[in-house]
Amino acid sequence: EAGVAQSPRYKIIEKRQSVAFWCNPISGHATLYWYQQILGQGPKLLIQFQNNGVVDDSQLPKDRFSAERLKGVDSTLKIQPAKLEDSAVYLCASSFRGPVYEQYFGPGTRLTVT
Amino acid sequence: GQQVMQIPQYQHVQEGEDFTTYCNSSTTLSNIQWYKQRPGGHPVFLIQLVKSGEVKKQKRLTFQFGEAKKNSSLHITATQTTDVGTYFCADRGSTLGRLYFGRGTQLTVWP
Repeated sequence: EAGVAQSPRYKIIEKRQSVAFWCNPISGHATLYWYQQILGQGPKLLIQFQNNGVVDDSQLPKDRFSAERLKGVDSTLKIQPAKLEDSAVYLCASSFRGPVYEQYFGPGTRLTVT
Repeated sequence: GQQVMQIPQYQHVQEGEDFTTYCNSSTTLSNIQWYKQRPGGHPVFLIQLVKSGEVKKQKRLTFQFGEAKKNSSLHITATQTTDVGTYFCADRGSTLGRLYFGRGTQLTVWP
């Protein structure tokens, strides 16, 4: 089966610019996650969707980050405006129904903010 | 938020030596998932532990969940160069079921 797809793989922007990341989960997976992974750290959950509804966005910096999953399939994560500390790898993951199930991660988008 | 502490942060071993990483928490863990991330790669699910005292094996990998569900460990017997990567434990918190990842243990294997 096809894995989790993400694009772009790399992005370099200047601070205060905006950026968007796209994710297409594994077909049939109801739960989609966006993680931020700073170098040398474990992934940190930003937002979790169940179908097209938000389950948990408690760690999402809502003044600059937004995410949507309008049709319950693919999702976009946006940062506007970006800050230097947003430099990280943004990982998308999906699971069959929820965190009880194993999560399948995409290749990630490496964001560099200069 | 919940915190899972992983030790050591780094481990360098010679091929053939054993390796163990530990995951500890001050609170009771809901369940533990272990992931492996190769250099430049993404996390890949290894196993999930749910029951107190549970032990699971995958070839050379042995996973344990403590009796009090406050710690877990991953042991690799006779490491190989293909074992190189960072091993993360993650607790599935009881609230909303979100995963809390540790900082990981980065394993280097010398041939």
